Amino acid sequence: NAGVMQNPRHLVRRRGQEARLRCSPMKGHSHVYWYRQLPEEGLKFMVYLQKENIIDESGMPKERFSAEFPKEGPSILRIQQVVRGDSAAYFCASSPYDTGIPQETQYFGPGTRLLVL
Amino acid sequence: DAKTTQPTSMDCAEGRAANLPCNHSTISGNEYVYWYRQIHSQGPQYIIHGLKNNETNEMASLIITEDRKSSTLILPHATLRDTAVYYCIVRADYGGSQGNLIFGKGTKLSVKP
Repeated sequence: NAGVMQNPRHLVRRRGQEARLRCSPMKGHSHVYWYRQLPEEGLKFMVYLQKENIIDESGMPKERFSAEFPKEGPSILRIQQVVRGDSAAYFCASSPYDTGIPQETQYFGPGTRLLVL
Repeated sequence: DAKTTQPTSMDCAEGRAANLPCNHSTISGNEYVYWYRQIHSQGPQYIIHGLKNNETNEMASLIITEDRKSSTLILPHATLRDTAVYYCIVRADYGGSQGNLIFGKGTKLSVKP
């Protein structure tokens, strides 16, 4: 059973460019969460999505950031017009939605390290 | 979500048990205790969780006090690969809208040869 997959693992962008981070949840998981970890800091929640729905985006910056989880394909975290302060590790997690399994146990991917030059 | 308090760092000798404490004195009746760890820049790894009974799996044991105000994660035979930051997180299993985990600073466990 493959785990949560994220790509790319490393991404370098110049200021003003767009960054697209992809997350494929574990098989059978329909919930996806994005977290950001700034250098030397803890993980901070950004957004929680189910298929085709944003459930909680309370941790997302108001501008330049967006997320989607389409019916088909991976979840995408999109950062427009990146700035140096966006340099961080971005982690995706997924969880199942099954009454027989603790619903909120989240399993994390390896992360995408974004560097903005 | 209830807040947790963990020591900033701990050392453990290789092969010995590592006991990582966590205080969660304001925990509510429907809130679980979760433990994750993060090994040097990797994604957080789920370890174990529990509500009020002690739990054990292939990775660790979780001991929750009877009043549920604190817990201890036990790694029975620590290895060098267990060196990581360990996070104790308290949250409810609502299912649905309460998605996010709130990570504190955790305990940096250093396993030494």
